[in-house]
Amino acid sequence: DIVMTQTPLSSPVTLGQPASISCRSSQSLVHSDGNTYLSWLQQRPGQPPRLLIYYISKRFSGVPDRFSGSGAGTDFTLKISRVEAEDVGVYYCMQAAQFPLTFGQGTKLEI
Amino acid sequence: EVQLVESGGGLVQPGRSLRLSCAASGFTFRSYWMTWVRQAPGKGLEWVASIKEDGSETHYVDSVKGRFIISRDNVKNSLFVQMNSLRAEDTAMYYCARGGKQQLEVWGKGTTVTVSS
Repeated sequence: DIVMTQTPLSSPVTLGQPASISCRSSQSLVHSDGNTYLSWLQQRPGQPPRLLIYYISKRFSGVPDRFSGSGAGTDFTLKISRVEAEDVGVYYCMQAAQFPLTFGQGTKLEI
Repeated sequence: EVQLVESGGGLVQPGRSLRLSCAASGFTFRSYWMTWVRQAPGKGLEWVASIKEDGSETHYVDSVKGRFIISRDNVKNSLFVQMNSLRAEDTAMYYCARGGKQQLEVWGKGTTVTVSS
């Protein structure tokens, strides 16, 4: 199974300042079709998860452009250019390169 | 509007069964992989099972293999998971999500399953 490791697990942030979360996979997420199936999800308190980023860096519909993803192979990063109050919650990376699908432990973003 | 609505959760005794449903609307259900993901209280996300568009391929996390069965009805735009031999560690919020081969694009609000005597 592919293990996804996120750092940090908790991130105090200041409104208007940038934030960054790292995710490392135990093996390459490059699929045989050439795509890299690494995505980022946000879970606000009391809500279901929501897709933010897929294919490493593509923003899903309706996601603000202050969210960006980058990386390759086994190392990936989610960045928020300027944190807003509504960004509080837990962020997960997820790989879909192979079954079982696996998630990172989650990073709690708190103001 | 794309929507997924789970139902069927509740309190069940260890060893008993429960069937969860997920009603899909606002998209062509038969064209998407579908997935169940669960979240134990205060914990992270755990993938449970996924099923191919036509139901011909299924995958399960090891901890539920032989106990859970994922299925779908492409006429009724519905996803199911039959959960047998339930254990305390199956207690969680269960989410239905669209996708499974690439990313999980849309999520329902979830249904709560509590396994306790």
